[in-house]
Amino acid sequence: DTGVSQDPRHKITKRGQNVTFRCDPISEHNRLYWYRQTLGQGPEFLTYFQNEAQLEKSRLLSDRFSAERPKGSFSTLEIQRTEQGDSAMYLCASSSVSVYGYTFGSGTRLTVV
Amino acid sequence: ILNVEQSPQSLHVQEGDSTNFTCSFPSSNFYALHWYRWETAKSPEALFVMTLNGDEKKKGRISATLNTKEGYSYLYIKGSQPEDSATYLCAFRGSQGNLIFGKGTKLSVKP
Repeated sequence: DTGVSQDPRHKITKRGQNVTFRCDPISEHNRLYWYRQTLGQGPEFLTYFQNEAQLEKSRLLSDRFSAERPKGSFSTLEIQRTEQGDSAMYLCASSSVSVYGYTFGSGTRLTVV
Repeated sequence: ILNVEQSPQSLHVQEGDSTNFTCSFPSSNFYALHWYRWETAKSPEALFVMTLNGDEKKKGRISATLNTKEGYSYLYIKGSQPEDSATYLCAFRGSQGNLIFGKGTKLSVKP
């Protein structure tokens, strides 16, 4: 297992377009998290899954954002009708027992022009 | 609203200097305090997960302490090296389940 993988690493899109990011967690981890980091801020929680169930969503996750983890393995995060304010680093992390720490991916950097 | 504060925001030191950063967090509903190191273009790397008041953890030249009653943790780096240059993030986990991160301390170590 090579850790948490995120694809793509970078994405440039025009305002109004839809984008989808993928996260492949560590295979034995049943929890998967999405965070967003903007310049000068720490990572902000968006949502998390335990297996295929989405257990919590942040207020930051507007109606334009949707996340899925259909088979309890990889996850996708889709942003519809992107806005310039969506430009950020989108981080995915996974864990088995969360007290033992998360393993993060390298992130997807989204730029909306 | 749960708030996690880190100070200083940035720090510039010379190689060989020892340094420390502070993380303050809510003292109620404490479950765990995490420290991460994040180098540019890489993924955040877990340093420590601390759960008990009075915990002290060490990994090489880096150590951390925890005071859950007053809501703070210190991260120490002894004899800083240029490869220690990174952003150091702390994150609080309470009853809410997910991690709440501070803004980080950006450390630059000059050779």
